Amino acid sequence: SQTIHQWPATLVQPVGSPLSLECTVEGTSNPNLYWYRQAAGRGLQLLFYSVGIGQISSEVPQNLSASRPQDRQFILSSKKLLLSDSGFYLCAWSVKTGQEFSNQPQHFGDGTRLSIL
Amino acid sequence: LAKTTQPISMDSYEGQEVNITCSHNNIATNDYITWYQQFPSQGPRFIIQGYKTKVTNEVASLFIPAVRKSSTLSLPRVSLSDTAVYYCLVGKLIFGQGTELSVKP
Repeated sequence: SQTIHQWPATLVQPVGSPLSLECTVEGTSNPNLYWYRQAAGRGLQLLFYSVGIGQISSEVPQNLSASRPQDRQFILSSKKLLLSDSGFYLCAWSVKTGQEFSNQPQHFGDGTRLSIL
Repeated sequence: LAKTTQPISMDSYEGQEVNITCSHNNIATNDYITWYQQFPSQGPRFIIQGYKTKVTNEVASLFIPAVRKSSTLSLPRVSLSDTAVYYCLVGKLIFGQGTELSVKP
């Protein structure tokens, strides 16, 4: 069966420090991968998605970047964190088919709670 | 870009059927409708997906009228553990504010 792992579960960082959140998927190959942020108040904001190694699409210009160095590894980074980067970060994957990927059900990790002080 | 509108919150009691409606007036021809459930401090969990008419699985049913401008998620005989936020997605990966369902004893 497929599993998705995110770590760490919680993180407290000072303003201006760097960030690296990692997400890995097991039990599937060549998935589509996604990073979301969820601020207080519930809505999820799509940050990045990737359809393959080294292929990253950004949905919202911001202080963050993403990389996909391996097929099932997705990394969210920042060089200098801002207070506004606080939130709940979620990684997800979906099966890649010939159809529009946005119609494929996504499978989420348990998230990382990031607090910026 | 299909935008969805759902009620912000709903209350129910254990054993009742709950219907959550989502409006998506701008749905595109090739868009599917997908529902997710999210508990606090967890990632959303896929519940059900459909394109038209009715879809049923072991958890819920999804009713989609022919014009597809709205859809209804039906949860039969809810329990306390169904208390969660429910999101409706159409096409592009945009999660709205969702519907916070509270099930009371």
